[in-house]
Amino acid sequence: DVKVTQSSRYLVKRTGEKVFLECVQDMDHENMFWYRQDPGLGLRLIYFSYDVKMKEKGDIPEGYSVSREKKERFSLILESASTNQTSMYLCASRSPGDYEQYFGPGTRLTVT
Amino acid sequence: AQSVTQLDSQVPVFEEAPVELRCNYSSSVSVYLFWYVQYPNQGLQLLLKYLSGSTLVESINGFEAEFNKSQTSFHLRKPSVHISDTAEYFCAVSERGSEKLVFGKGTKLTVNP
Repeated sequence: DVKVTQSSRYLVKRTGEKVFLECVQDMDHENMFWYRQDPGLGLRLIYFSYDVKMKEKGDIPEGYSVSREKKERFSLILESASTNQTSMYLCASRSPGDYEQYFGPGTRLTVT
Repeated sequence: AQSVTQLDSQVPVFEEAPVELRCNYSSSVSVYLFWYVQYPNQGLQLLLKYLSGSTLVESINGFEAEFNKSQTSFHLRKPSVHISDTAEYFCAVSERGSEKLVFGKGTKLTVNP
């Protein structure tokens, strides 16, 4: 069965902290994605990766970076967290031959 | 650039009533279309998808959607809803050859007893 896991369901951080959100998939998928979800705005793509060490900016990359050192793991990094980064963060993966994306359960991040 | 419009942000209905959640998209090329569902405090799950072939696609829990190329729509319907269908529904589009999905802003379906 397809599985995408995220390291935390809930996270509370202080302004200015460096924050790591981890995502792991067990499907050997090449493509992985990070989205943020805000009420009334839907899902917006932050970054995606189409292979190990490869990344591309999505629609809202400002204030974020990513790391993909291994195929199964894709990390989202907030270098200096700010209150406007309080949101739900969703990770997804897919195989290039399959247009469906598989989502993790999400991490609800609060920055105080 | 592709975009997705979900015309209703909230849809309240009574149990056993029919429902339609509307989705329109814009794209200059051929597309794949999806509906995802998000139950409270969970991630997104694929409900159904249109890739090619029959324009009417169905899910295992009674939802269906019809791809209408001329109207650039992919509306989601169910003839009789249950309380358990209460969730947020997202329409998404992917242009052929693209790795990315573009999502609508979501429609919150609330089924009342």
